[in-house]
Amino acid sequence: DQQVKQNSPSLSVQEGRISILNCDYTNSMFDYFLWYKKYPAEGPTFLISISSIKDKNEDGRFTVFLNKSAKHLSLHIVPSQPGDSAVYFCATGGGADGLTFGKGTHLIIQP
Amino acid sequence: SQTIHQWPATLVQPVGSPLSLECTVEGTSNPNLYWYRQAAGRGLQLLFYSVGIGQISSEVPQNLSASRPQDRQFILSSKKLLLSDSGFYLCAWSVIRTGDTTGELFFGEGSRLTVL
Repeated sequence: DQQVKQNSPSLSVQEGRISILNCDYTNSMFDYFLWYKKYPAEGPTFLISISSIKDKNEDGRFTVFLNKSAKHLSLHIVPSQPGDSAVYFCATGGGADGLTFGKGTHLIIQP
Repeated sequence: SQTIHQWPATLVQPVGSPLSLECTVEGTSNPNLYWYRQAAGRGLQLLFYSVGIGQISSEVPQNLSASRPQDRQFILSSKKLLLSDSGFYLCAWSVIRTGDTTGELFFGEGSRLTVL
């Protein structure tokens, strides 16, 4: 049973436009949600997080929105740049047993 | 500052051969340690985690094992590799959570294992 779901395996966005990556979760007890970015043959790097008591967190071009009633979060990147092309994972959990990750969305920024 | 290193970066092994991937963390004490695997279409799957020396928890039944002989060393092993063990293996660490920490994991560079 997947606790975190990313239903879009890939997303193609034109450079300069907004990229929106989506994630759904099942457990309302999670207190933090995180987004990671991963380039091929490298380890994932932390991008941005949001506490379950907030509905928005912004860091530069990256904004994460949390809709607790829908158990849904989204990552907005604006404007999208070529270096944003990567696989993005949403994750939650964070107890001693680590984070549970979605399957990832491959974001492709087209020139 | 804290750093994490894992090796080897790339490994090609025949079916039935043994495996040893190593991971070390520097700049922190008593971290939680993790082994994840990224296989095609399955995202990042937790394999093992450890909250202290000699303490290993397994998340997925398989022919892999993990050991933590020292506080900041985590080893992933297999006695006999299967084709299905191919994948990208990631070591990670985290601090023990307090009230306002996010549970963020810090990942190593990854090890690409190909079993032929």
